[in-house]
Amino acid sequence: GAVVSQHPSWVICKSGTSVKIECRSLDFQATTMFWYRQFPKQSLMLMATSNEGSKATYEQGVEKDKFLINHASLTLSTLTVTSAHPEDSSFYICSAKDRELVGDTQYFGPGTRLTVL
Amino acid sequence: GNSVTQMEGPVTLSEEAFLTINCTYTATGYPSLFWYVQYPGEGLQLLLKATKADDKGSNKGFEATYRKETTSFHLEKGSVQVSDSAVYFCALSGMDSSYKLIFGSGTRLLVRP
Repeated sequence: GAVVSQHPSWVICKSGTSVKIECRSLDFQATTMFWYRQFPKQSLMLMATSNEGSKATYEQGVEKDKFLINHASLTLSTLTVTSAHPEDSSFYICSAKDRELVGDTQYFGPGTRLTVL
Repeated sequence: GNSVTQMEGPVTLSEEAFLTINCTYTATGYPSLFWYVQYPGEGLQLLLKATKADDKGSNKGFEATYRKETTSFHLEKGSVQVSDSAVYFCALSGMDSSYKLIFGSGTRLLVRP
């Protein structure tokens, strides 16, 4: 089946530093990837839609200068949390849509837990 | 705007009990509806989906029927197992071409032996 990986699975960083999270589609090509944020015991909130070769589309209220998204290839999207602060601590999840499949099925990565001290 | 409302958990059941997790939605038009499952330590997995009214999605003994008249997509299973313990998310996809998913808050299911 379609597999999406994320790296790292968890990261702890100091306040003010930047952290990069990778999302890869391992056995399919993804023209579209999505980045979500999940707070403890809450639902997933879509942060942005990442399209290969073009700028990401951010949801209302998401700071594009703080959450930098790059989708440089058909199998890789990255999310960089810049100048991280404790309130950015969260579980970040990506998903990818297989370009060969018609319809709206997304495949999810296992998530990255970010803790900002 | 579009939204999904799920029953709050946790839901605790004994093995072989009947499961219902309620999900209702608000949307214009006819969205696709999904149930995703998140097992401990893993990513979300698509459990089942339905793309139009009266469709029934089913997988691994789970079922859900797209009810337009009640704007609902309740998840059911006749006999749960301990291995079904997980968090279940109801979701709908946008009616545009963006494929965005809007999730409910999730319902944690705990099945005891």
